Amino acid sequence: EVQLVESGGGLVQPGRSLKLSCAASGFTFSNYGMAWVCQAPTKGLEWVASISTGGGNTYYRDSVKGRFTISRDNAKNTLYLQMDSLRSEDTATYYCARHHEAGFDYWGQGVMVTVSS
Amino acid sequence: NTVMTQSPTSMFISVGDRVTMNCKASQNVGTNVDWYQQKTGQSPKLLIYGASNRYTGVPDRFTGSGSGTDFTLTISNMQAEDLAVYYCLQYNYNPTFGGGTKLELK
Repeated sequence: EVQLVESGGGLVQPGRSLKLSCAASGFTFSNYGMAWVCQAPTKGLEWVASISTGGGNTYYRDSVKGRFTISRDNAKNTLYLQMDSLRSEDTATYYCARHHEAGFDYWGQGVMVTVSS
Repeated sequence: NTVMTQSPTSMFISVGDRVTMNCKASQNVGTNVDWYQQKTGQSPKLLIYGASNRYTGVPDRFTGSGSGTDFTLTISNMQAEDLAVYYCLQYNYNPTFGGGTKLELK
């Protein structure tokens, strides 16, 4: 059974950093592109970043370029999102998702990130 | 960025209804469109990929169609378990989601 389990969320002050992790199991992690998708409270879904199977190619939405870094450790079956210079508008639930074609076929349960002083 | 505009934003429906919702892309995205279902308090689930391909295990009452800029998700014979918010996604360019269509009971 495919499982994606996020961790690392919490309350953080504006300008500070946070690192999210996503532990994958039930499939060959290194064979799939992976992504982070967020959802602000009561709002819709927004793609945040994607990474290729080997980690050599990364892609970001404009609003997080230069602040967020997606990475992966295929030996540990884990996806990461390093979030720096956090802003209040980054407050959201962050989902780890597996790429299917270029969409997403499996999603984690999500982890909440709250940016507030 | 490619903007995906969903309509309507909400619908009041009855069990057994045929439901149609739409998604319009701001530029040609071919058939690079998915549809997702998100129930309250849950993660999204993939229903349709490549505009018209039903994902594994998705009931055949869900049908996707369209290409280019106009896409449709149809639910024939609506069930109570289908109450949710539905999102379209284009991935012809950097992925962008529509704003969602919420289905509620009359």
